[in-house]
Amino acid sequence: DAGITQSPRYKITETGRQVTLMCHQTWSHSYMFWYRQDLGHGLRLIYYSAAADITDKGEVPDGYVVSRSKTENFPLTLESATRSQTSVYFCASSHPGREQFFGPGTRLTVL
Amino acid sequence: GEDVEQSLFLSVREGDSSVINCTYTDSSSTYLYWYKQEPGAGLQLLTYIFSNMDMKQDQRLTVLLNKKDKHLSLRIADTQTGDSAIYFCAESIGGNDYKLSFGAGTTVTVRA
Repeated sequence: DAGITQSPRYKITETGRQVTLMCHQTWSHSYMFWYRQDLGHGLRLIYYSAAADITDKGEVPDGYVVSRSKTENFPLTLESATRSQTSVYFCASSHPGREQFFGPGTRLTVL
Repeated sequence: GEDVEQSLFLSVREGDSSVINCTYTDSSSTYLYWYKQEPGAGLQLLTYIFSNMDMKQDQRLTVLLNKKDKHLSLRIADTQTGDSAIYFCAESIGGNDYKLSFGAGTTVTVRA
């Protein structure tokens, strides 16, 4: 009954390190999304996935990598973290054409 | 998310009505949404309106859509302290029902 979960909830890392944020949903939603939330910008779409093994870029994909080997998981990797990637990251999932359900978010700080 | 614009702050007295306004740009948007974010939490869908509707009412919430002006509003009647949150307007974009563009969010503060 977990719905959509994200881990970790908080992460502090250093510039240049690789970081992976996890997202897991139990609804068998085909669509999954990664957003970042920054003050004054609202939510901006990083990547999304229509199904397992199908991913596509959103508005701000540079510096991020995603994969979707299983329907329920959609990890987001920062290959070499930069300070500009300090943000709150939200994962969401949905059935096609239906509302998106959001996870609780991961607050990432890059020092 | 810059295609959707909202005012950033709204202060309202408890018991009054709140009106949050939003303008969007994609005339092919099928759905328009209002999400609520409470401190430290993710976004929760409050309500949505299909693009061929002018108005939708759901208990204390009223959504008005003016397609000609691409203007969306959310009215909260009898605003309570629990309504203090950030409210995001979002439009489905590019004729796709699954991709959303969000506004920057309106922070609503309810004062006693």
